[in-house]
Amino acid sequence: GAVVSQHPSWVICKSGTSVKIECRSLDFQATTMFWYRQFPKQSLMLMATSNEGSKATYEQGVEKDKFLINHASLTLSTLTVTSAHPEDSSFYICSVQQGPNQPQHFGDGTRLSIL
Amino acid sequence: AQKITQTQPGMFVQEKEAVTLDCTYDTSDPSYGLFWYKQPSSGEMIFLIYQGSYDQQNATEGRYSLNFQKARKSANLVISASQLGDSAMYFCASNTGGFKTIFGAGTRLFVKA
Repeated sequence: GAVVSQHPSWVICKSGTSVKIECRSLDFQATTMFWYRQFPKQSLMLMATSNEGSKATYEQGVEKDKFLINHASLTLSTLTVTSAHPEDSSFYICSVQQGPNQPQHFGDGTRLSIL
Repeated sequence: AQKITQTQPGMFVQEKEAVTLDCTYDTSDPSYGLFWYKQPSSGEMIFLIYQGSYDQQNATEGRYSLNFQKARKSANLVISASQLGDSAMYFCASNTGGFKTIFGAGTRLFVKA
């Protein structure tokens, strides 16, 4: 199955900093990748669907200008948290899916802490 | 719209015993997939098992089996011979005819030695 690499694993930075998280599909060309956010003891919340070569599709309530997604190649999608604030602290995790109704393969996630 | 319901916030099971984690789903689409994922405390999401809506038999993967009752719209996960390493969060999920997957709230499983 697909193997997904996500970097960095954790980030601690000051308020106002922009943070970029990378998600790579290592053995599968992914036209679509997914970005989730997870608060402690809660489920995964889909933030956006990253589409190779076109704009990402954001879920309702997710700020497009805050969470910039770029999917420039079939193996790489990036999520940039712009001007991060403490309330953006969370666990962010990406995934790829090889086809409709197929299981998702997840990266190991990024723990983001904004001081 | 899809909806996944997991009504058990936490479950305890004795090591070596079997445990059932409940999941009900709500969709009007005739074609859908049902999934279970495990999330250890380290955070990674591990795919466990898949059941397609048209599959006639319940899915099995090693110690995991999915008790699929289509008329009741339930897709319970059964873990046999529980091990200490099974202690984790378990998420039921579904997608219908496409890529978008919806996750349930999760069940925390504690395996007692």
